[in-house]
Amino acid sequence: DTGVSQNPRHKITKRGQNVTFRCDPISEHNRLYWYRQTLGQGPEFLTYFQNEAQLEKSRLLSDRFSAERPKGSFSTLEIQRTEQGDSAMYLCASTLQTGAFFGQGTRLTVV
Amino acid sequence: GDSVTQMEGPVTLSEEAFLTINCTYTATGYPSLFWYVQYPGEGLQLLLKATKADDKGSNKGFEATYRKETTSFHLEKGSVQVSDSAVYFCALSAGGGSNYKLTFGKGTLLTVNP
Repeated sequence: DTGVSQNPRHKITKRGQNVTFRCDPISEHNRLYWYRQTLGQGPEFLTYFQNEAQLEKSRLLSDRFSAERPKGSFSTLEIQRTEQGDSAMYLCASTLQTGAFFGQGTRLTVV
Repeated sequence: GDSVTQMEGPVTLSEEAFLTINCTYTATGYPSLFWYVQYPGEGLQLLLKATKADDKGSNKGFEATYRKETTSFHLEKGSVQVSDSAVYFCALSAGGGSNYKLTFGKGTLLTVNP
């Protein structure tokens, strides 16, 4: 499979716990984006990387959120001290000049 | 800031009907415009795009024309099929080039009945 891969696909966690999601982009894509999508809404931009450098972060990304892309390959998104409002689908996309290719997302449910 | 407004769904059509999903945008400069589609259980897929005024994007029988004067990018298809049932998202990117920091609309659920 040469598409964007996200793991896990589903995550249920208790409020206050930390969670980490992983995104494996298409191998030759140097830009990687994270988005969050809540029910009935379109995806909202969170942050993006060019290679290993995190170039922009949305105001939506509170200090409980951190993202990394070591070595410019896969990326992780960590949420510390999860809150119920963090429940959403977290989408990753990797891009070339021709377009953005999205993974299937990680659905987070905070209970 | 940048924003995208698309018609609220759900939209329910019979097979072979004509489809229009309206999309208007607000952005500074000259954004690129996109339609993405999300089939049940799958990730977002780029359906078509247009990068400058009067460009027409097309794919799989779907078309949309970048109208700067009306700040619109309406999606159309002449004859829908059951397999077109999905959620459709209009989006823009204001950064140009290979910048895919996208601003999305809320999505429109399309259901096509046989």
